[in-house]
Amino acid sequence: QQQVKQSPQSLIVQKGGIPIINCAYENTAFDYFPWYQQFPGKGPALLIAIRPDVSEKKEGRFTISFNKSAKQFSLHIMDSQPGDSATYFCAAQPTGFQKLVFGTGTRLLVSP
Amino acid sequence: EPEVTQTPSHQVTQMGQEVILRCVPISNHLYFYWYRQILGQKVEFLVSFYNNEISEKSEIFDDQFSVERPDGSNFTLKIRSTKLEDSAMYFCASRQYGNTIYFGEGSWLTVV
Repeated sequence: QQQVKQSPQSLIVQKGGIPIINCAYENTAFDYFPWYQQFPGKGPALLIAIRPDVSEKKEGRFTISFNKSAKQFSLHIMDSQPGDSATYFCAAQPTGFQKLVFGTGTRLLVSP
Repeated sequence: EPEVTQTPSHQVTQMGQEVILRCVPISNHLYFYWYRQILGQKVEFLVSFYNNEISEKSEIFDDQFSVERPDGSNFTLKIRSTKLEDSAMYFCASRQYGNTIYFGEGSWLTVV
């Protein structure tokens, strides 16, 4: 089953808070897990990505936590800012395939 | 920073008409993609193209759709006879080696 389930659908946090977005998958043949950020009217932009041999990856204020046994991964945004308000998509790439399978997206609003 | 450029940014067409969406991928990239996003929904893979041929396509990419790389720079998506349900944002994307896929800003297609 090549599906990625993402939650929550929307999220509101105050400036400085730490929003957490979760994704889960069933297909063990995924081997690359990127997160994309999308602003209204723009294309998705790669934020950070992880492979399943690593449990955590941090880039600036963005951290991916990866739980291979639970088939779950999550995005944490430290010290969130109003400029982080966007839609965030998790995705997964099946081994040997070129396509990305996207989650349903999380609309994040960071209030000032 | 190099980017994927798409034209037109918005097109309105009558049902049954043919539409061509154009893309200029990042130069020296080798893999090319089309994705679509129906308003408010997730990003869906349509097709990937490598070495002048389709390498992968989804069930959405039926006989109504075709792709072409007519010269060294352009990559096009043609929808032969548009339907109302083809209304969506269409994203072109490209990558070189590795996993990072770069998306364009999209072409918004409205079928009336």
